Amino acid sequence: NAGVTQTPKFQVLKTGQSMTLQCAQDMNHNSMYWYRQDPGMGLRLIYYSASEGTTDKGEVPNGYNVSRLNKREFSLRLESAAPSQTSVYFCASSGPPGQRYGYTFGSGTRLTVV
Amino acid sequence: QQPVQSPQAVILREGEDAVINCSSSKALYSVHWYRQKHGEAPIFLMILLKGGEQKGHDKISASFNEKKQQSSLYLTASQLSYSGTYFCGGSWGKLQFGAGTQVVVTP
Repeated sequence: NAGVTQTPKFQVLKTGQSMTLQCAQDMNHNSMYWYRQDPGMGLRLIYYSASEGTTDKGEVPNGYNVSRLNKREFSLRLESAAPSQTSVYFCASSGPPGQRYGYTFGSGTRLTVV
Repeated sequence: QQPVQSPQAVILREGEDAVINCSSSKALYSVHWYRQKHGEAPIFLMILLKGGEQKGHDKISASFNEKKQQSSLYLTASQLSYSGTYFCGGSWGKLQFGAGTQVVVTP
């Protein structure tokens, strides 16, 4: 099925550990995004990539790094996890801006940092 | 800079109508609307690109007033399946979301 695939679905980390969240899309979209979702705060943009080879900071980039490995894949890395990074992380992709395309979201990664 | 949504929550009986509002302090190029069920990913409902535009998705419709930087989502003759959290997203190249409006439709 076409869409956005995220791995892992669940993860528990200890404070200070590192991990990489993986995201891949098979819709030939240029743009990809990483959001985090916390109760009562909606979805906040961490990083985005408008095209292969480019990345930019969003609203809450501190503590994260990203890699746009190729057109399909966009990974999010936590170098030293903190309890404040406990959240649900969503990857999304979209078609060309200005067109009538919405974002397609992955199923999310539920991360707990203890 | 995040779009502001109101109300925060609404409870409806099946068949009733509701309006969700979304406003921005800066000019919007477009407005997206999404619905999210508990534990699931947000699902795209519709996008409005032009000022004054209206669109529909089943019995869910929306309007976008570019001059006022406001959008409204209209839930008409609500169904149980309309329950969930609705998010508006303001687009300035990338999407920034409002905090969401929780909608509960009861039998």
